[in-house]
Amino acid sequence: GQQVMQIPQYQHVQEGEDFTTYCNSSTTLSNIQWYKQRPGGHPVFLIQLVKSGEVKKQKRLTFQFGEAKKNSSLHITATQTTDVGTYFCAGPRSNYQLIWGAGTKLIIKP
Amino acid sequence: SQTIHQWPATLVQPVGSPLSLECTVEGTSNPNLYWYRQAAGRGLQLLFYSVGIGQISSEVPQNLSASRPQDRQFILSSKKLLLSDSGFYLCAWSRGTGRYEQYFGPGTRLTVT
Repeated sequence: GQQVMQIPQYQHVQEGEDFTTYCNSSTTLSNIQWYKQRPGGHPVFLIQLVKSGEVKKQKRLTFQFGEAKKNSSLHITATQTTDVGTYFCAGPRSNYQLIWGAGTKLIIKP
Repeated sequence: SQTIHQWPATLVQPVGSPLSLECTVEGTSNPNLYWYRQAAGRGLQLLFYSVGIGQISSEVPQNLSASRPQDRQFILSSKKLLLSDSGFYLCAWSRGTGRYEQYFGPGTRLTVT
């Protein structure tokens, strides 16, 4: 069946270092979405990518959608403590559902 | 603007007791509605979704049920809770016209003891 794999499961970085999470789908996606869940909070929609090869930026966050529309990445430049949380990718499974990656937990080392 | 409410925020229930969690959405009509469960430190498991009043699709067989008595109201229920029902329950909505992004409520932390 359709799968979305997300790696790594955890990433420990020093504040100021960069962070990247990768998302790979077993099927071509019409779009991919990224969400952030702060510790103890609920997932919050960040962005949706639709076009092949699309790159979008939100301040220090850069989102990419692969040419084949089967993979995506989220890169954070110079992490800050406010970036702590779990980042999820998700793609459409049907007209009404999303298939979710397992998430990458960003941990800032003291 | 749209707002999604969930209550209660936390709940501690004994094994075998009933459960009712409520979710309401404001500021939109005919939303798609979803119930997810998240175990501690884990990903999102879709439990139910609804594309209209009285229309419920179940993703995972279990002792939970869902109902949508009104357009913007979604209820998650159980007649008898199990220890394995503990978790973080999240309600979400999306527009019903082909856009897929979902907007989540604050969630309910359920501990079954």
